[in-house]
Amino acid sequence: GAGVSQSPSNKVTEKGKDVELRCDPISGHTALYWYRQSLGQGLEFLIYFQGNSAPDKSGLPSDRFSAERTGGSVSTLTIQRTQQEDSAVYLCASSPPWTQETQYFGPGTRLLVL
Amino acid sequence: SQQGEEDPQALSIQEGENATMNCSYKTSINNLQWYRQNSGRGLVHLILIRSNEREKHSGRLRVTLDTSKKSSSLLITASRAADTASYFCATSGGGADGLTFGKGTHLIIQP
Repeated sequence: GAGVSQSPSNKVTEKGKDVELRCDPISGHTALYWYRQSLGQGLEFLIYFQGNSAPDKSGLPSDRFSAERTGGSVSTLTIQRTQQEDSAVYLCASSPPWTQETQYFGPGTRLLVL
Repeated sequence: SQQGEEDPQALSIQEGENATMNCSYKTSINNLQWYRQNSGRGLVHLILIRSNEREKHSGRLRVTLDTSKKSSSLLITASRAADTASYFCATSGGGADGLTFGKGTHLIIQP
């Protein structure tokens, strides 16, 4: 079956613009995760969804970041008023309901803020 | 925040040799996992070891866990050029929470 997909693969934007990143988890996976990978910070956990709800949003770097998930499937991560320090690879992962220990990662979206 | 610290940061060996990477972590864990990443993109899950296990094997991979020292090691035997990648350890407190990753070891296998 298809793996986790993310779009776009690459995004170049100007400082101050808003961007929206999309994640399509593996069909039937109930848990969905967002991570950020940057040179300075390594791999950081941002937020996870169990179904459509996100129990803990404290991992989001600032209030410019928001995420939502609808229909228990697709998720979008939105960054408002992008800053150069937002440049990173944004990775999405999902887990099936029967074993939420192992996460299956998508290829990521490489974001460059000029 | 980063919990795990891998060492070495980079490792270059000849094809056929064994590669060993280490990971240390700070808090109590439910399990520890190793992932591989090629070319800075998606991560691939390699192996998971639970806090009550000491050693686990999967093909050419051998993982050990020492909870008293809060450390783990990943051994890749008979390395191949295709093993060239970055390897990350990740810890979990259990359940569907986010993983805490180490900084990774960049492994280069020279043909």
